Amino acid sequence: GAGVSQSPSNKVTEKGKDVELRCDPISGHTALYWYRQSLGQGLEFLIYFQGNSAPDKSGLPSDRFSAERTGGSVSTLTIQRTQQEDSAVYLCASSLVGGGRGPGTQYFGPGTRLLVL
Amino acid sequence: EDKVVQSPLSLVVHEGDTVTLNCSYEVTNFRSLLWYKQEKKAPTFLFMLTSSGIEKKSGRLSSILDKKELSSILNITATQTGDSAIYLCAVAPNTGNQFYFGTGTSLTVIP
Repeated sequence: GAGVSQSPSNKVTEKGKDVELRCDPISGHTALYWYRQSLGQGLEFLIYFQGNSAPDKSGLPSDRFSAERTGGSVSTLTIQRTQQEDSAVYLCASSLVGGGRGPGTQYFGPGTRLLVL
Repeated sequence: EDKVVQSPLSLVVHEGDTVTLNCSYEVTNFRSLLWYKQEKKAPTFLFMLTSSGIEKKSGRLSSILDKKELSSILNITATQTGDSAIYLCAVAPNTGNQFYFGTGTSLTVIP
């Protein structure tokens, strides 16, 4: 596609519910990243995919967070039993290279703003 | 611990002013430093710097990297209200896959 797309753009959910966030990277980009940005904070790294595998899951804040990527393209980030502190903007980015050669220039999607009541 | 620090945290200027934003880093095996502009949600790419002392320029924006000082500056001349945004600095290492982001500088340009 022309750019990275994410859906939904906004999500309001109740505490304890599960949510699924979707990211469509730029076509041909093998590397995909998820970040979280809380109000007034910088970008917090969550997880990185090279193709369909996730060599770096170090940023996932708890076992309630998981992510997968299929077909080397679309990725979903799932948050189970959401908590109020999960409220943030979740940004996805993709790049051409990654995986040992160092990350390439990232292109960001518009993000999903998650609010947990 | 790898980290990126930006200053100032926020800045308010009048249209036409020139601003300088700072980014300093402590990252093992430095590869590149990137500047992004974030309005509303999605950060948009501005510059990538890999070599020390070489200025990158795009219109009224310019940036330069100083590897000795482990820092970079982003200059914006003749600021406009459309420059109001959060400016993010990120550093990429030579190995691994993670970008290290600073918390950003929030710039507000008043008419």
